[in-house]
Amino acid sequence: DTGVSQNPRHKITKRGQNVTFRCDPISEHNRLYWYRQTLGQGPEFLTYFQNEAQLEKSRLLSDRFSAERPKGSFSTLEIQRTEQGDSAMYLCASSLVVDPTDTQYFGPGTRLTVL
Amino acid sequence: DQQVKQNSPSLSVQEGRISILNCDYTNSMFDYFLWYKKYPAEGPTFLISISSIKDKNEDGRFTVFLNKSAKHLSLHIVPSQPGDSAVYFCAASVPNAGKSTFGDGTTLTVKP
Repeated sequence: DTGVSQNPRHKITKRGQNVTFRCDPISEHNRLYWYRQTLGQGPEFLTYFQNEAQLEKSRLLSDRFSAERPKGSFSTLEIQRTEQGDSAMYLCASSLVVDPTDTQYFGPGTRLTVL
Repeated sequence: DQQVKQNSPSLSVQEGRISILNCDYTNSMFDYFLWYKKYPAEGPTFLISISSIKDKNEDGRFTVFLNKSAKHLSLHIVPSQPGDSAVYFCAASVPNAGKSTFGDGTTLTVKP
């Protein structure tokens, strides 16, 4: 298994543009998470899926953010009308629902820069 | 309200000495606590965890201690090695909540 992969690794965009990131979790993992991380802070929860169902979305997440996991495998995170404040590292993680510790396995992240 | 706090943004220790990283939490519903390590340009990787029914868990050079009454946990690294230099995140999870809450991290520097 190659672990969690994320694409692209880096994205530079202009304010107002839409961007989409992809996450491929560890194949047998049924939970998938999206986090945002800014400098000096820990990963901030955005949303998570169990199989294809989106079970929770942070209330801090604006309507410009949407995530999908259509077949319970890979997931996409879209940000519409990007703002400079969206500049951050976007992390994806996966885990097994049967693991009571909720140990998560992270991808390398996608660094977004909004100009 | 930050439910998981790491009050020391950075820590510097000499190679071979003990590193102690601290974490405080406020939510008494947390039942698992995890430590992750993060190198630059990589995602966090799981290091060690502890259940709320235990007060100590050890894995090689890494030991996590949990004091439930004080809502405090710590990670001890003995002996510290230069390769341990990284950002360490404390995380906590609630049963069946499906997500973990992370602290802001402590940057550990181990000097040769």
